[in-house]
Amino acid sequence: DPKIIQKPKYLVAVTGSEKILICEQYLGHNAMYWYRQSAKKPLEFMFSYSYQKLMDNQTASSRFQPQSSKKNHLDLQITALKPDDSATYFCASSQDRGSQNTLYFGAGTRLSVL
Amino acid sequence: AQSVTQPDARVTVSEGASLQLRCKYSYSATPYLFWYVQYPRQGLQMLLKYYSGDPVVQGVNGFEAEFSKSDSSFHLRKASVHWSDSAVYFCAVSVGGSALGRLHFGAGTQLIVIP
Repeated sequence: DPKIIQKPKYLVAVTGSEKILICEQYLGHNAMYWYRQSAKKPLEFMFSYSYQKLMDNQTASSRFQPQSSKKNHLDLQITALKPDDSATYFCASSQDRGSQNTLYFGAGTRLSVL
Repeated sequence: AQSVTQPDARVTVSEGASLQLRCKYSYSATPYLFWYVQYPRQGLQMLLKYYSGDPVVQGVNGFEAEFSKSDSSFHLRKASVHWSDSAVYFCAVSVGGSALGRLHFGAGTQLIVIP
């Protein structure tokens, strides 16, 4: 059974709309992350959370807003969607936010913006 | 500039042959080094990691990697590949400090194993 659940697996949106990507982890981890993988760039770090607090934000645009309603949830709200936002978004988690920690990834949400 | 380079976008090998996937990094200090694998329609899974000690580190499924400080490299190897090893392999580094928990990934190498 997958320990990190991302929903939906596929998402099609129109330019200018808003979508929320869901992530839940059942590994008992304290740190969660979002990464983005697009055709043009390698896997990019977006955010890290530790104990539901934002620790690191490498996303230039405020259109991307992570939301942590529970310790094992880290959703990603994207507003005013653009075609360049088309990518696969991966949620990940680790025991703690340490350099040596293994990250566990979900299967991703593939977003297409038309 | 800090970077992770995987020079080979695609590598094709025959089943049973040996494998080396290359990775070079450019960071001011020795970072934590990782190899991850991504199978089709799945998330990434860690194969192995290194920070210090024996420069040859063993991972899952017969993979190993060798760290070279002089060469700033962390190449992945396997003595005999299986068709099920076909996947995309990512080299990654973690540098700590204010970037604690942040992984920097290379572009990935797609491995194709011919039966």
